[in-house]
Amino acid sequence: SAVISQKPSRDICQRGTSLTIQCQVDSQVTMMFWYRQQPGQSLTLIATANQGSEATYESGFVIDKFPISRPNLTFSTLTVSNMSPEDSSIYLCSVKLDRGLADYEQYFGPGTRLTVT
Amino acid sequence: DAKTTQPPSMDCAEGRAANLPCNHSTISGNEYVYWYRQIHSQGPQYIIHGLKNNETNEMASLIITEDRKSSTLILPHATLRDTAVYYCIVRVAYMAQTGANNLFFGTGTRLTVIP
Repeated sequence: SAVISQKPSRDICQRGTSLTIQCQVDSQVTMMFWYRQQPGQSLTLIATANQGSEATYESGFVIDKFPISRPNLTFSTLTVSNMSPEDSSIYLCSVKLDRGLADYEQYFGPGTRLTVT
Repeated sequence: DAKTTQPPSMDCAEGRAANLPCNHSTISGNEYVYWYRQIHSQGPQYIIHGLKNNETNEMASLIITEDRKSSTLILPHATLRDTAVYYCIVRVAYMAQTGANNLFFGTGTRLTVIP
């Protein structure tokens, strides 16, 4: 299994400001992901962050708005830039652990609850 | 990824087994069944997954029918801390570098464990 921690656990921010969310994993992982979850909604993938390469963003998400760093195999950051109330959401860090034979387990962090006023 | 159908809610007495069903009649041969749960405002917690054989770990058991069109998650001795929304997902299980990493959790089953 993987134990994932995120900082901060929650924050209230003013529009126009930026917030950087940190994700720490207790083991080295190749594949790390950032999701967000609106209240009562399913998860939406923001980007895939693999160490040693540029993050890959999903449709509707851009690097200028959500820059990501992945300096090593246990850590990543997601920045929510120039925030607006529409960015209010829970942001989740996630990792996949390869079990071999095209099988894996996927774990999630506890989430960062962001409220933009 | 195949669509899943789950009952919206279930109750279970504390200490009893909780059996949560999931229908996935359009599952493909290379799709696994994953179960997660989510307690209000927290990140999803991985529970168990399987392809066609029954699986058991320290948290739960997963029973998959022979035709793989449905499955049941079993929490053998439910506690109050098991109260959560449980999600059944079917998806291909490969370590794609990009793509195929979205997860559709649907509405899940809200399990309430009653003292």
